[in-house]
Amino acid sequence: EPEVTQTPSHQVTQMGQEVILRCVPISNHLYFYWYRQILGQKVEFLVSFYNNEISEKSEIFDDQFSVERPDGSNFTLKIRSTKLEDSAMYFCASSEALLLAGDQEQFFGPGTRLTVL
Amino acid sequence: SQKIEQNSEALNIQEGKTATLTCNYTNYSPAYLQWYRQDPGRGPVFLLLIRENEKEKRKERLKVTFDTTLKQSLFHITASQPADSATYLCALDPFSGGYNKLIFGAGTRLAVHP
Repeated sequence: EPEVTQTPSHQVTQMGQEVILRCVPISNHLYFYWYRQILGQKVEFLVSFYNNEISEKSEIFDDQFSVERPDGSNFTLKIRSTKLEDSAMYFCASSEALLLAGDQEQFFGPGTRLTVL
Repeated sequence: SQKIEQNSEALNIQEGKTATLTCNYTNYSPAYLQWYRQDPGRGPVFLLLIRENEKEKRKERLKVTFDTTLKQSLFHITASQPADSATYLCALDPFSGGYNKLIFGAGTRLAVHP
C-alpha cells in the first residue's frame, strides 16, 4: 500500500541553525501539507501546497519557514534559524486533489522529531 | 473564539463494551468532519469522514454521527478490543469555501482493558 515517507526520523540541531525536513508524498497525490505536534499538544496545521505554490498557511508559518517541491517526488520544509520552541514532531501529509480539504482524507507520514538545543 | 473540544483526556473501558467519544466545535461551520487515530510517536491515520448532510456513517465496528445544530460529532467503537487503545482525533476544515487545511482537536486517549 502506498505511503508517505519522511526523513530523517529524528533531527537534533543547535538553536539558530537551518534544518530541512524531507518528505516523499504518495505519487499520484497533488496536495501536500506540513503539520507539527509539540509533545503532549494537538496537531497544528502549518502549510498546504498545491501546483507548486502555497495554498494556505497558518500564523505559525512565518518568514523562518519555507516549503519547496524541488523535483517530482520530494516535498521539503525548511526552517531557516531554529528556535527552542520549534522542537516538535513534524508531519508531512498528502491527499488527492478531489474537492475541498475537508472532503478528502489526508495520508500522514511517520513524522520527523526535531529537537533544538 | 474558534474551538474544537474533545471530551476528557482519557477514557477507560472494558473489552467488549462500546466506546463513545465526543467532539464539539464552536464558531466553525464545517461541511465535513473527520476522525483520525494516532498511536504514540506515529502520524494520524484516517478513519472516517462524515458530511454535513449525513447524519451517520459506519465502517466495520466504527460509527460516526454529525449534528450541525448541536455542533457535535460522536464517534463510537463497538465491541472494543485492547488493540483499539490509542488517541482519537477529530478534525475539520474550518470553512466550507475551500481552505486547504485541517484543524484538529486535542484528542481523546482511549484505553481498552482486557
